[in-house]
Amino acid sequence: ELKVEQNPLFLSMQEGKNYTIYCNYSTTSDRLYWYRQDPGKSLESLFVLLSNGAVKQEGRLMASLDTKARLSTLHITAAVHDLSATYFCAVIFYNNNDMRFGAGTRLTVKP
Amino acid sequence: IAGITQAPTSQILAAGRRMTLRCTQDMRHNAMYWYRQDLGLGLRLIHYSNTAGTTGKGEVPDGYSVSRANTDDFPLTLASAVPSQTSVYFCASSERADGWFPNSPLHFGNGTRLTVT
Repeated sequence: ELKVEQNPLFLSMQEGKNYTIYCNYSTTSDRLYWYRQDPGKSLESLFVLLSNGAVKQEGRLMASLDTKARLSTLHITAAVHDLSATYFCAVIFYNNNDMRFGAGTRLTVKP
Repeated sequence: IAGITQAPTSQILAAGRRMTLRCTQDMRHNAMYWYRQDLGLGLRLIHYSNTAGTTGKGEVPDGYSVSRANTDDFPLTLASAVPSQTSVYFCASSERADGWFPNSPLHFGNGTRLTVT
């Protein structure tokens, strides 16, 4: 069964702290997307990770992909309030001709 | 501004009624998708279209139909709405597709919030 599991589903952070969101998936993949969704808004693409060991960074967010562990991480450095949003990973399962989204991680950054 | 336009923004619909959600893009993307978003379930694919004239079923297609008469428009129809179709519906497009799934990041519309009573 194809599964994409994100954790935590809810995350409340203090400004200035670091934290990591995890995206685990059930079978072989070497392409993964991260999206951001602000409350009541649409989704925006953050990162595309195309191969094992890929690392992408923009501002306080850094995403990585470990295809052997079937794991992607989204690391938040020195969180600020503007990062409050829901973050989704989406995994391409080439061998299964499918793509699935995780359930999302709702991040709240408090002053 | 280039992008995807969805209409209506929100709708309350009586069960059993027919409803078409509209989606138009001006980016000339070949691949288009309809997703529904439900709390705790992420986004689930309803139907997709690789190119004008072709459509396919996604993960949760039952109760929905689509058409793709041209590149720009991809309407989603609920033939006879039921309360379980209460959701937020997103239309998306992709510049490139490999088979049916996007080979580049998805561009999303602003969504349609549908309530079926």
